[in-house]
Amino acid sequence: DIQMTQSPSSLSASVGDRVTITCRASQSISSYLNWYQQQPGKAPKLLIYGASTLQSGVPSRFSGSGSGTDFTLTISSLQPEDFATYYCQQSYDTPRTFGQGTKLEIK
Amino acid sequence: QLHLQESGPGLVKPSETLSLTCTVSGGSISSNNYYWGWIRQPPGKGLEWIGNIYYSGTTYYNPSLKSRVTISVDTSKNQFSLKVYSVTAADTAVYYCARRDYDSLTRAYFFDYWGQGTLVTVSS
Repeated sequence: DIQMTQSPSSLSASVGDRVTITCRASQSISSYLNWYQQQPGKAPKLLIYGASTLQSGVPSRFSGSGSGTDFTLTISSLQPEDFATYYCQQSYDTPRTFGQGTKLEIK
Repeated sequence: QLHLQESGPGLVKPSETLSLTCTVSGGSISSNNYYWGWIRQPPGKGLEWIGNIYYSGTTYYNPSLKSRVTISVDTSKNQFSLKVYSVTAADTAVYYCARRDYDSLTRAYFFDYWGQGTLVTVSS
């Protein structure tokens, strides 16, 4: 199985901050990397697919980059509704695997 | 707007079978473009992919669960289902159904619509 490792596991930031979350794959996955946001008690929501393509309706302050084994999710200016847990997921191979999550909290 | 809704018992006894159904509305489960999947999340933990199914019945399973899982589809009801056999406390989780889409431009696969999730507790 391809292991996905996110860093940090948790992060405290303030409204307006620029935040970057990293996801590393245990082997090259080309650009087959997706990012999801999960609010407490809710289903995950797709933010970015193909490493850098913004899902329809997702604010442009979210962006993704990377290829191979190293990927980043950046939020350019944090809004109150962005405090949530973020997961990366590889779609290069089965089984599909997710990172352990990064919890973004208000400082 | 596509909507997915999980249904099934919230409590299952150890060694018994967990059975859930996902009802799809606002779109056809028989579309050529999509697979339909199950993902679970133990309380306070991360996400685990269980498997996907195509409307024709083609399935892909997580090898870690494959011996205990069956995913099936009923196109006449626009539903797909999950069975997990011989459950233990480790199968306690929120179970989500989701649509798996494919983008031909990026050749990416992703889960773009999710149900709200249903908590299944395994306990005697």
